Amino acid sequence: NAGVMQNPRHLVRRRGQEARLRCSPMKGHSHVYWYRQLPEEGLKFMVYLQKENIIDESGMPKERFSAEFPKEGPSILRIQQVVRGDSAAYFCASSPRADNSPLHFGNGTRLTVT
Amino acid sequence: AQKITQTQPGMFVQEKEAVTLDCTYDTSDPSYGLFWYKQPSSGEMIFLIYQGSYDQQNATEGRYSLNFQKARKSANLVISASQLGDSAMYFCAMRFSGGYNKLIFGAGTRLAVHP
Repeated sequence: NAGVMQNPRHLVRRRGQEARLRCSPMKGHSHVYWYRQLPEEGLKFMVYLQKENIIDESGMPKERFSAEFPKEGPSILRIQQVVRGDSAAYFCASSPRADNSPLHFGNGTRLTVT
Repeated sequence: AQKITQTQPGMFVQEKEAVTLDCTYDTSDPSYGLFWYKQPSSGEMIFLIYQGSYDQQNATEGRYSLNFQKARKSANLVISASQLGDSAMYFCAMRFSGGYNKLIFGAGTRLAVHP
């Protein structure tokens, strides 16, 4: 049973470009979470999605960031017009239910904005 | 407001000894969950152990155990018989109230295991 798959593992973008981060949850998991980790810090919640629905986006910056989890295909975190402060590790996690079941994280995407 | 505190930025332990990583939390929610994750230098987040607020017994998973003291609001991770591969960052996390896995994380503790 494959784990949470994220790609790319590393992504380099110049200021002003767009970044697209992909996440395929574990098989059977319909709940997806995105977290961001700045250097030397813990993870910070960004957004929680179920299939085709955004449930909680309270941790998402209001501008330039968007997330989706379509009926078919992976969840996508999209960052438009990236700035240097967007450089971070972005982790996706999934769970089978919306309860205390442990979150299984992917290996993360390390975004570097030059 | 919910809060997680890890007061030890770094810890050292000799191989084969036990080590305790501290975690305290603050919440007014009677129902919550506590998690520990390991992040090695390669960067992935590895789930270690989980404790529910209503669980009567302390959680254990192999060499990992969680010393859960509800009245003191602490959930310390105990690693027994440390191994060199245990060297990593360790994060304590708490599940927000609200019914889903919106976690807040502590700042982490960097553990170094010496031979």
